[in-house]
Amino acid sequence: GENVEQHPSTLSVQEGDSAVIKCTYSDSASNYFPWYKQELGKGPQLIIDIRSNVGEKKDQRIAVTLNKTAKHFSLHITETQPEDSAVYFCAASIRASGGSNYKLTFGKGTLLTVNP
Amino acid sequence: DVKVTQSSRYLVKRTGEKVFLECVQDMDHENMFWYRQDPGLGLRLIYFSYDVKMKEKGDIPEGYSVSREKKERFSLILESASTNQTSMYLCASPPRDRVSHEQYFGPGTRLTVT
Repeated sequence: GENVEQHPSTLSVQEGDSAVIKCTYSDSASNYFPWYKQELGKGPQLIIDIRSNVGEKKDQRIAVTLNKTAKHFSLHITETQPEDSAVYFCAASIRASGGSNYKLTFGKGTLLTVNP
Repeated sequence: DVKVTQSSRYLVKRTGEKVFLECVQDMDHENMFWYRQDPGLGLRLIYFSYDVKMKEKGDIPEGYSVSREKKERFSLILESASTNQTSMYLCASPPRDRVSHEQYFGPGTRLTVT
């Protein structure tokens, strides 16, 4: 099955700096790669995603890049703010059974701390 | 707004008890998922369902079962709770449109088995 590796497990940056989180996946059939942010006491929330036919996607201070050949994708957060502090998860989507259903395999998460 | 709700935020049960965790979504979604989240292990898929009365095992189904009698409700069952099932349990549901695989998560149920 799919295996997703995520690094680093913890990341501490100063406010205003950039943060980069990297993930690799094993199944070349994966075609959708979301990133989730989980704040304390809440369920994960989707913040950005990318499909396999796109190399890069940007949404304000957040960007995601995908290298299908190398099977890795990254989350970039610029001009970090204290409210960016959270646990971030990457995931890769593959078909489940039946051909028309999908399931996500998640990385182990990165605890990002932005110091004021 | 998509809404996925879970019946309890915190639950304390004794070893050997039968435990039911309930998840409800209000958007007529077909697919529903149960994960457990443990520090350093991320989110791991326990079971999922893509239709009423349909279920599929995820990556760690041992010790769990599920029930989907109605489209909006997906229950996770611990037949005989054990201490190693102490964890955060998260329910998720993606939109009806299967082209979009994004999942909406509930707030989670923190289960402690003593």
